[in-house]
Amino acid sequence: EAQVTQNPRYLITVTGKKLTVTCSQNMNHEYMSWYRQDPGLGLRQIYYSMNVEVTDKGDVPEGYKVSRKEKRNFPLILESPSPNQTSLYFCASRSGGLEQYFGPGTRLTVT
Amino acid sequence: EDQVTQSPEALRLQEGESSSLNCSYTVSGLRGLFWYRQDPGKGPEFLFTLYSAGEEKEKERLKATLTKKESFLHITAPKPEDSATYLCAVQANDYKLSFGAGTTVTVRA
Repeated sequence: EAQVTQNPRYLITVTGKKLTVTCSQNMNHEYMSWYRQDPGLGLRQIYYSMNVEVTDKGDVPEGYKVSRKEKRNFPLILESPSPNQTSLYFCASRSGGLEQYFGPGTRLTVT
Repeated sequence: EDQVTQSPEALRLQEGESSSLNCSYTVSGLRGLFWYRQDPGKGPEFLFTLYSAGEEKEKERLKATLTKKESFLHITAPKPEDSATYLCAVQANDYKLSFGAGTTVTVRA
């Protein structure tokens, strides 16, 4: 089944403790991206990647890092999480077309 | 800066009561306008892509239309299973996707 998977789905952590949210897609898509979703603000793009080893900032990149060493994986790294990074995170991917396909989401709480 | 505004924020309908959702946008060079459906606790699910003014797409009880400044998502004779948040997004020439805040639709039986 074609899909985008994220892990973990739920995470509660403390301020300053480094964490990684994994994203993997099995559709051989070149383009992958990360979004955060907050009430009243909609989905905002954090980072995106056009292909392996090619990444760029979205609208809200501060406090996040990404890497794209393999085509199928695009992890999101929070090196020193803060409470304002409490949010619902989505990974997405697409091929040559414009339609993006989203993962199931990761709900992160930073205390 | 690209902007996407959706209205209304929330819409409560009786089963069978048709209505429309609005998505107005400003973007430098529209490559595509997208509609997604999002159920609580889940990722957005792709519905439609519209590329140019005058284009229309249909899927079951949903029909999306596009003008140069806005898009409408028409819901005809909705059923309770159409209850969801509907998201509009635009893609500009630099591959950046900008989302609106969404319209939450509740359909009562």
